[in-house]
Amino acid sequence: GAGVSQSPSNKVTEKGKDVELRCDPISGHTALYWYRQRLGQGLEFLIYFQGNSAPDKSGLPSDRFSAERTGESVSTLTIQRTQQEDSAVYLCASSSRGGGNEKLFFGSGTQLSVL
Amino acid sequence: DQQVKQNSPSLSVQEGRISILNCDYTNSMFDYFLWYKKYPAEGPTFLISISSIKDKNEDGRFTVFLNKSAKHLSLHIVPSQPGDSAVYFCAASVGAGGTSYGKLTFGQGTILTVHP
Repeated sequence: GAGVSQSPSNKVTEKGKDVELRCDPISGHTALYWYRQRLGQGLEFLIYFQGNSAPDKSGLPSDRFSAERTGESVSTLTIQRTQQEDSAVYLCASSSRGGGNEKLFFGSGTQLSVL
Repeated sequence: DQQVKQNSPSLSVQEGRISILNCDYTNSMFDYFLWYKKYPAEGPTFLISISSIKDKNEDGRFTVFLNKSAKHLSLHIVPSQPGDSAVYFCAASVGAGGTSYGKLTFGQGTILTVHP
């Protein structure tokens, strides 16, 4: 597709349930990022994938969070045993090579609400 | 530890006037700075960037100024238009060279409202 696609756009879940969020990056982009934005706050880095390199997981807030990426395509972010503080907009972004001076292209995000 | 701060949560400006959005950072290792614009229900979109070797970068109505000694950058929009109404995020990264990657640290955002 032309842009970064994320699904679902909205997800409401009950505390304690697992959720899986999906991201389709721009075709040909080797770098993929997950960020989240909690209400009233800036975007918070979660994880970075670049090609076949080991991902940078330094931003994942707890071991309940994990992410995978299949080659240079789809990525899924999984949150296990969701908590209310996980409620946020989860944004995926991609860039062509992942260089430090590249601009990121963001998807529209998944609004996660944990009741 | 908020390394990038946007201390004004909102800004209201009349159409045709200048909008000035400010951003401060604490990490002296940051060497690449960007502004993103976000409309409701959409992802942020890249607006303009500046490398630490420069103190100004201009693109049409948008100009970013960088003051390294003060660890401060600002975005000027002249003239402001109602379509500019959005949330503006500043962001910073370490290592603009090819050995680093675009892991960005974002500010909290400033809501800009431009009145007709």
